Amino acid sequence: AAGVIQSPRHLIKEKRETATLKCYPIPRHDTVYWYQQGPGQDPQFLISFYEKMQSDKGSIPDRFSAQQFSDYHSELNMSSLELGDSALYFCASSPASRGESYNEQFFGPGTRLTVL
Amino acid sequence: AQKVTQAQTEISVVEKEDVTLDCVYETRDTTYYLFWYKQPPSGELVFLIRRNSFDEQNEISGRYSWNFQKSTSSFNFTITASQVVDSAVYFCALSLYNQGGKLIFGQGTELSVKP
Repeated sequence: AAGVIQSPRHLIKEKRETATLKCYPIPRHDTVYWYQQGPGQDPQFLISFYEKMQSDKGSIPDRFSAQQFSDYHSELNMSSLELGDSALYFCASSPASRGESYNEQFFGPGTRLTVL
Repeated sequence: AQKVTQAQTEISVVEKEDVTLDCVYETRDTTYYLFWYKQPPSGELVFLIRRNSFDEQNEISGRYSWNFQKSTSSFNFTITASQVVDSAVYFCALSLYNQGGKLIFGQGTELSVKP
């Protein structure tokens, strides 16, 4: 069965650079979530999209932006990278209708971002 | 405010022992969903179970079982006859109905099963 695809799997950047993380949800899933997991931390919700519109926003820095495209894939753009942005970034997709919570989220393998 | 607490940061057991991972949640909402995820050393998040707030039936899946008690706001997870492959970080999570599905995670419990 198809799973959530994230690319790249690993990314190394310098401070103040920009990074773009991509997420390809499971086919026919219309909801995408982004989470950030720092070292030894639990995943923290950043932002979500339903049918290409932002549906919810968490603790996402202003330096980050995201969008969902017509083919439902999503990109997380991160600018002016800081050392503290080093983390595992997860994308999850859900077949939820109108973002209803009862559906489980299927997580991608994550992108490990290292900022030097 | 919503919150999930996993008081056990680390647990170490010997293979074949039973182990229970505790999860306590806080919410004023009456409709919500509880989850458990496993994160092995490779880093991916593996879905284990989802339970809605109206279903307090305990569930068993092989060596895994879950005990949901609304009276104590707990959703505990037991692994029977643990195996080395069970070694991972386990996260309990909460989502609220009509809040878009975002997951609120607990701090995680790192389980180490030694041979």
